Amino acid sequence: GAVVSQHPSRVICKSGTSVKIECRSLDFQATTMFWYRQFPKKSLMLMATSNEGSKATYEQGVEKDKFLINHASLTLSTLTVTSAHPEDSSFYICSAKGGDQPQHFGDGTRLSIL
Amino acid sequence: DAKTTQPNSMESNEEEPVHLPCNHSTISGTDYIHWYRQLPSQGPEYVIHGLTSNVNNRMASLAIAEDRKSSTLILHRATLRDAAVYYCILSFGSNYKLTFGKGTLLTVNP
Repeated sequence: GAVVSQHPSRVICKSGTSVKIECRSLDFQATTMFWYRQFPKKSLMLMATSNEGSKATYEQGVEKDKFLINHASLTLSTLTVTSAHPEDSSFYICSAKGGDQPQHFGDGTRLSIL
Repeated sequence: DAKTTQPNSMESNEEEPVHLPCNHSTISGTDYIHWYRQLPSQGPEYVIHGLTSNVNNRMASLAIAEDRKSSTLILHRATLRDAAVYYCILSFGSNYKLTFGKGTLLTVNP
């Protein structure tokens, strides 16, 4: 089946640091990638949708200058959390979709800001 | 977006069938019905999806009501590894956005 790899799986860093998370589709070309955030005991919240080669579309309330998304190739999207603060600590999950395939999700990145 | 309603939790016994219900009374003609499941500290896993007809795959079956206002995910023989939160989600036609609700927490008893 389709595989989506997300890296790193866990990151702990100091407040003010910028953190980059990678999302790769390993065995298919992902024309569209999605980024979600999930707080403890809550459901996934869509942050943004990105299509290869174009600017990401952000959901209402998500700061585009805070969460930078790049989708430069059909197999890679990155999410950079700029100047991260403790309130940005969360579980970040990407998903990828290509052709007629359903969305497939990565295993998530646990971000902890001290 | 059309909404779905699922029970907060369900319990089943190992090796017995499980029927997970989902109501979506405001579904439109081009909405697909998707099911995903999520284990703790993992990303969601695709289970199955359909539009009008019932669907079967190696993981589960999806039974869709004739009026499409409800559907049921069927796990034919539950195992302990099936314990997870199950999400029933509608997506509009070619709009691939998935809006996750609270889902159903399935507990499987040995």
